[in-house]
Amino acid sequence: GAGVSQSPRYKVAKRGQDVALRCDPISGHVSLFWYQQALGQGPEFLTYFQNEAQLDKSGLPSDRFFAERPEGSVSTLKIQRTQQEDSAVYLCASSLVRLSAGGVYNEQFFGPGTRLTVL
Amino acid sequence: AQSVTQLGSHVSVSEGALVLLRCNYSSSVPPYLFWYVQYPNQGLQLLLKYTSAATLVKGINGFEAEFKKSETSFHLTKPSAHMSDAAEYFCAVNPSGAGSYQLTFGKGTKLSVIP
Repeated sequence: GAGVSQSPRYKVAKRGQDVALRCDPISGHVSLFWYQQALGQGPEFLTYFQNEAQLDKSGLPSDRFFAERPEGSVSTLKIQRTQQEDSAVYLCASSLVRLSAGGVYNEQFFGPGTRLTVL
Repeated sequence: AQSVTQLGSHVSVSEGALVLLRCNYSSSVPPYLFWYVQYPNQGLQLLLKYTSAATLVKGINGFEAEFKKSETSFHLTKPSAHMSDAAEYFCAVNPSGAGSYQLTFGKGTKLSVIP
């Protein structure tokens, strides 16, 4: 009955350093999402995977951000040459597709997040 | 495009008092609406969801919300606040329809409960 797990929970990086953040989704969840939550803000969408395919990366703020999910399970968000503005909590969510009276929707289950601090 | 506005970044209530957290949305198509709660240093936990069935939705921990299309609102309420309700609450919208998946969140409302 494990939920979504993320590692590390906390990461401190020096400006210019590369970082890699890991997400283990709930087993069997096809969809996986990354969100960025800046201090005092709501989460903002970064990217979406369906199995191993990255279907939407429109929320990635720059080409320094890269996400992958090579086997359709674990995902890694990589940030190259980190900047201070990258400091945030990075949330991963995995999803089941649910049916409702109005159609289908994604019920997203969130991990605890990785708090990244760039000095 | 869709957006969410949460009125009041901080709300304080006394223990046992009514909790009312406001959420207004805009969406070009009929929306699905969600309330999430976030405790310090934890991820988001789903409180309740509106998915085009009953307009009054009951969730966990005694919370409920009513979808009002005419007011484009989805306010969260709880009759009697408990100390353990102190947390940050986020309203989110997801457009209905095939292929929709992206959640758009409000900026959050931090709820404080005064003993």
